Amino acid sequence: NAGVTQTPKFQVLKTGQSMTLQCAQDMNHNSMYWYRQDPGMGLRLIYYSASEGTTDKGEVPNGYNVSRLNKREFSLRLESAAPSQTSVYFCASSPLGVTSTGELFFGEGSRLTVL
Amino acid sequence: AQSVTQPDIHITVSEGASLELRCNYSYGATPYLFWYVQSPGQGLQLLLKYFSGDTLVQGIKGFEAEFKRSQSSFNLRKPSVHWSDAAEYFCALGSGGGNKLTFGTGTQLKVEL
Repeated sequence: NAGVTQTPKFQVLKTGQSMTLQCAQDMNHNSMYWYRQDPGMGLRLIYYSASEGTTDKGEVPNGYNVSRLNKREFSLRLESAAPSQTSVYFCASSPLGVTSTGELFFGEGSRLTVL
Repeated sequence: AQSVTQPDIHITVSEGASLELRCNYSYGATPYLFWYVQSPGQGLQLLLKYFSGDTLVQGIKGFEAEFKRSQSSFNLRKPSVHWSDAAEYFCALGSGGGNKLTFGTGTQLKVEL
């Protein structure tokens, strides 16, 4: 019963370093999402992938890139990390998209600190 | 543009007391509305959702919410709160034709024993 798995769970970077957050789901879901959560700001959508082979920008895409590697995996890359990217990152998946089924299944989050 | 407002950042209630968390939305068409709960160190879990039909929806853990179009609201309620309900609660809005949710800023619930 893994559901949505994110790695790493914690990471500390220096400004300018790059890293990739990995996400995998084992529920055969079509849609996958990356959100960031910051105090007092709720969750904001970075990128999403409605289906394998497609990706779209969300509300706050600047400074990030994504890859939908296959149906199971959706990675988020920070090419040159900035302190403003210090946040908790959540990956989520949905069977057919949120306005079809209404439910996102979330991973446990990845806490990233950029010094 | 669509938006979700949760006016209360923090709420404290006594165990056994009733609870109402407020959510207001702005959207030009019929909204899809959701409540999620986040326990410390965890991801979010869906409590309930409104797509259409009956404006009073039931969810898990004894929660319910009422959609009021005239007030653009979707408030979450529970008749008797348990200590395990302490968590952060997020209201979210999905737009028809879109494939993403817009979340409110959350309400942190503290339960006093």
